[in-house]
Amino acid sequence: DTEVTQTPKHLVMGMTNKKSLKCEQHMGHRAMYWYKQKAKKPPELMFVYSYEKLSINESVPSRFSPECPNSSLLNLHLHALQPEDSALYLCASSRTGGSNQPQHFGDGTRLSIL
Amino acid sequence: DAKTTQPNSMESNEEEPVHLPCNHSTISGTDYIHWYRQLPSQGPEYVIHGLTSNVNNRMASLAIAEDRKSSTLILHRATLRDAAVYYCASTTSGTYKYIFGTGTRLKVLA
Repeated sequence: DTEVTQTPKHLVMGMTNKKSLKCEQHMGHRAMYWYKQKAKKPPELMFVYSYEKLSINESVPSRFSPECPNSSLLNLHLHALQPEDSALYLCASSRTGGSNQPQHFGDGTRLSIL
Repeated sequence: DAKTTQPNSMESNEEEPVHLPCNHSTISGTDYIHWYRQLPSQGPEYVIHGLTSNVNNRMASLAIAEDRKSSTLILHRATLRDAAVYYCASTTSGTYKYIFGTGTRLKVLA
């Protein structure tokens, strides 16, 4: 069982819909991450939060809006997505975000854009 | 950015050792080398990490070249449950940003 919980597991939405992905961890980690993974490709970093503040945005389009309401929760708000945004969205956390710290991943939300 | 390359696929017989290579051509001196594996319909699972010297844990061993431009993940006795995609990764100049390799799909033959 993963210690990082993501909901929902699957999401189908139209291009005009607004939805949110949720990620939760209770390991006391202070760094949290969003990744996007296309089929047969490695995960690609989207955002990094450190101590609830956004520290890295990898030039992600504004139709993806991250939010970190507290140290245990991470949301990804979605609006006006495109079909090419269909992918597995992974959340991860690490103790404080240093280079020497492993990341703990959730099992992801599989997103399909119609 | 760091660039990491891996073979697309490898095969191993059950209960034999497996050596999975990774090239870290642009890694810097302070960037750790991490390995993860991913089973179908699951997120990546941490396997092992290190900086300069070889590392062992209950899952695997990690051998790091002296110049740190390559590393090898060693599974001492492959089992059917080890069949997965294995990713090496390194951070970028000590930041939080992981650059994942292209991944090696390991097939274990019974």
